Amino acid sequence: SYELTQPPSVSVSPGQTARITCSGDALPKQYSYWYQQTPGQAPVLVIYKDTERPSGIPARFSGSSSGTTVTLTISGVQAEDEADYYCQSVDSNATYRVFGGGTKLTVL
Amino acid sequence: EVQLVQSGAEVKEPGDSLRISCKVSGYTFINYWIGWVRQMPGKGLEWMGIIYPGDSDTRYSPSFQGQVTISADKSISTAYLQWSSLKASDTAMYYCARQDLAGSGGMDVWGKGTTVTVSS
Repeated sequence: SYELTQPPSVSVSPGQTARITCSGDALPKQYSYWYQQTPGQAPVLVIYKDTERPSGIPARFSGSSSGTTVTLTISGVQAEDEADYYCQSVDSNATYRVFGGGTKLTVL
Repeated sequence: EVQLVQSGAEVKEPGDSLRISCKVSGYTFINYWIGWVRQMPGKGLEWMGIIYPGDSDTRYSPSFQGQVTISADKSISTAYLQWSSLKASDTAMYYCARQDLAGSGGMDVWGKGTTVTVSS
């Protein structure tokens, strides 16, 4: 079945830029979505359709796409951004959705 | 306000059947897909499947096809996730979420989750 690959962890200092990647063969043809999950909470959608930001999500969150890799960028990272981040997309036949394995963002 | 209210925590034995629910309010239930997501203890999110309550069109992840049943009752704006015979490996948190396929395409509103514990 289809898989999305994320790095297990990313660490940055406050104020720096964090970049979290997600790779998948169908990403050139299918949109990606990004979710933030803090401990004990339900996930929150932070990026949709590769680059769009839902209302209420800070502008420091952005998304980009290049070939088989999509990237979530958090500019000027704050302590409150420490969380697990998951990418999501669709298989090439648009039959089902899948999450990446998740990336733990640590703010040093 | 759009809300998805999930049923309470469950403790079951292997072999038991179970149905958990997700009651929605604040929008027209039949116009949006509802998805289910599993999160095993200490692990990542797994997309299980979605249902369109308008016509009960249901799609499953290959990993969950045949293992669970997703259904919906339009009359009470409620979606369900059901097992016929639980296993210890079904122990997890289960989230429902609105999957806005016609709009953002993402899961834009989530329930708080239902914890299912399967143990003898």
